[in-house]
Amino acid sequence: QVQLQESGPGLVKPSETLSLTCTVSGGSISSYYWSWIRQPPGKGLEWIGYIYYSGSTNYNPSLKSRVTISVDTSKNQFSLKLSSVTAADTAVYYCARDRRDTYVGGYVYYYGMDVWGQGTTVTVSS
Amino acid sequence: EIVLTQSPGTLSLSPGERATLSCRASQSVSSSYLAWYQQKPGQAPRLLIYGASSRATGIPDRFSGSGSGTDFTLTISRLEPEDFAVYYCQQYGSSPPGLTFGGGTKVEIK
Repeated sequence: QVQLQESGPGLVKPSETLSLTCTVSGGSISSYYWSWIRQPPGKGLEWIGYIYYSGSTNYNPSLKSRVTISVDTSKNQFSLKLSSVTAADTAVYYCARDRRDTYVGGYVYYYGMDVWGQGTTVTVSS
Repeated sequence: EIVLTQSPGTLSLSPGERATLSCRASQSVSSSYLAWYQQKPGQAPRLLIYGASSRATGIPDRFSGSGSGTDFTLTISRLEPEDFAVYYCQQYGSSPPGLTFGGGTKVEIK
């Protein structure tokens, strides 16, 4: 059974870079897409970006200038970096497996985010 | 960018009642690209429905999804105590590529 675990500092200073890692256990990181999602206190879910195991990425346009997602298949991990953070970036950060199949002609069938990490709280404060 | 609007914001119901949650898209969404999630306090979201109407593994059949185009619905036929939670719809976009969540509907005990 695939499990995800987020790790990283729980406290980041304003203007610095938030760095988190998601470790995939019980299965391979290969052949899947992997997403980062965040949830500010008392608010809804916001998709940050996703990465394919091969390294191709796509980011939320509202965060694109500050976000980098990378993958290390040898460690079965993928990572998030968010630069120039402010208090507005305080949130619970989740990683998730993002399932989809691509068929001949480019048609995609989306199966949703079927495995989630437990989430890690990141507070931006001096 | 497609915007998903969920209504109502809060639904107050009693156990045993039927819950109907709405998710409206700002432009047409392929049914293959629409998912629903349940989130309880302090927990990560859980996938309920994908492809607008297919239940994820282990999801009870009291949960059902329907809809097409811009209007999608999640129905809980008879609310169990464990169903009181926040529900989110989400769409996958192929052009431009990206993902979007709705703002959520809270189902609370009346």
